[in-house]
Amino acid sequence: QVQLQESGPGLVKPSETLSLTCTVSGGSISSYSWNWIRQSPGRGLEWIGYIYYSGSTNYNPSLKSRVTISVDTSKSQFSLNLMSVNAADTAIYYCARDRGYPHPYFDFWGQGTLVTVSS
Amino acid sequence: EIVLTQSPGTLSLSPGDRATLSCRATPAVSNNFLAWYQQKPGQPPRLLIYATSTRATGIPDRFSGSGSGTDFTLTVSRLAPEDFAVYYCQQYGSSPRTFGQGTKVEIK
Repeated sequence: QVQLQESGPGLVKPSETLSLTCTVSGGSISSYSWNWIRQSPGRGLEWIGYIYYSGSTNYNPSLKSRVTISVDTSKSQFSLNLMSVNAADTAIYYCARDRGYPHPYFDFWGQGTLVTVSS
Repeated sequence: EIVLTQSPGTLSLSPGDRATLSCRATPAVSNNFLAWYQQKPGQPPRLLIYATSTRATGIPDRFSGSGSGTDFTLTVSRLAPEDFAVYYCQQYGSSPRTFGQGTKVEIK
């Protein structure tokens, strides 16, 4: 059974960079696509973007200018960097796997980590 | 971007009742690539249905999905106590992938 676990700071100051890592266990990271999704009371569930194990990425246009997702297959990890954060970026951040072509629905999720943007 | 609108916002029902949840898309969902998730407090969403009507592994057959194009439905034939939760629809036919705002199924 694939398991995903998010890690990273729970508090980030405005204008700084939010950085999170997702560790994948119980399965290979070297297939499928690996996603970041966030959830907040104001925005609901919002897909941030994904990275394929080969390194190709696709980002939500609403965040594209501030987001970078990277992968380290040797560590079975992928990471999220979100630059220039503000209070609206406060949310629970989830990492999730999608099944890839032809049905990239999200079948495994991490438990989520709350990130608060505040000085 | 495809906007998904779920209704009703809250559904108050009793165990054993039938639940019918709606998800309307603007514009239409490509290839009917629509999924449904269940979320309980403090937990991540859990996949129930994909490709409009295919149950995910381990999902009881009281959950069913239907629809096409712009109108989709999740039906729970007889609500079990563990089914009271928030349900989200999500389209993955086009980018960016988007979610509905959720329907809460609460105990009446």
